Amino acid sequence: QVQLVQSGAEVNKPGASLRVSCKATGYTFTNYGISWVRQAPGQGLEWMGWISAHDGRTNYAQRLLDRFTMTTDASTSTAYMELRSLTFDDTAVYYCARDYNFVPDYWGQGTLVTVSS
Amino acid sequence: QTVVTQEPSLTVSPGGTVTLTCASSIGAVTTSYYPNWFQQKPGQAPRALICYVSNRHSWTPARFSGSLLGGKAALTLSGAQPEDEAEYYCLLHQGGGWVFGGGTKLTVL
Repeated sequence: QVQLVQSGAEVNKPGASLRVSCKATGYTFTNYGISWVRQAPGQGLEWMGWISAHDGRTNYAQRLLDRFTMTTDASTSTAYMELRSLTFDDTAVYYCARDYNFVPDYWGQGTLVTVSS
Repeated sequence: QTVVTQEPSLTVSPGGTVTLTCASSIGAVTTSYYPNWFQQKPGQAPRALICYVSNRHSWTPARFSGSLLGGKAALTLSGAQPEDEAEYYCLLHQGGGWVFGGGTKLTVL
C-alpha cells in the first residue's frame, strides 16, 4: 500500500535551516511528483511547492522562492525539503503528499517543526 | 496574491445535506483549476476526498460529491454522519501554482 513516512519533529532556532524527509513506499517513486504543504498552529493549509520525482522539475510558491528548496533521491525513494533563514512564523506541521497530474492523493503523517530561541 | 474563499463554518443535521463552496479571486472556477477537496480532523493529516472537480478517490464515501456551481467549486455532503464533522479544504491550481482555501469547519449537529 502507498505510504509516505516523514522524519521526526524538530526544534530549530531563528535563522537556522530545517530539513524534512519523506520516504515513499508502495508505488514507483519516479512516476509521481511530491507536493509540500504546511500548517501553522490553528491555521489553514499552505501549499509550498511541487517537485517531479521523474526529472526534478519544480514549482515553488512565490513567497518562499528565495529560501525553500525541494529535492528527491530516486535510489531511496525519498523526497526532501529544506527551509532556510527560519523565523517564528515557520513554526508549523509540514506535510508531503504524492501528487500526480494535479492530484495530491496520499499524504505523509506530518512533521512538527518548532522555531524557538 | 490570488485568494481562494470558503465559508468559515457550516452546520448540518445528521442525515441532512450541505454544500460547501470554493471561490477564486481571479474569477469563475473552471475545470482548468483542477479543484481538489480534502477533509482534515483534529490532529490528523488531510485526507483527499475529491479530484478533478467531481472524481471520488477509491476511499471516498459516495455521500460526498463534487461539482461546479455558479462559478465556484462545490462539495456536497448528502446524508451527513457524525464522523463527517471536520475541517474541509479546497485546493485550486491557479497563478502557476496551487492555492488552498481557508477551510470550512463543518459541524454535524
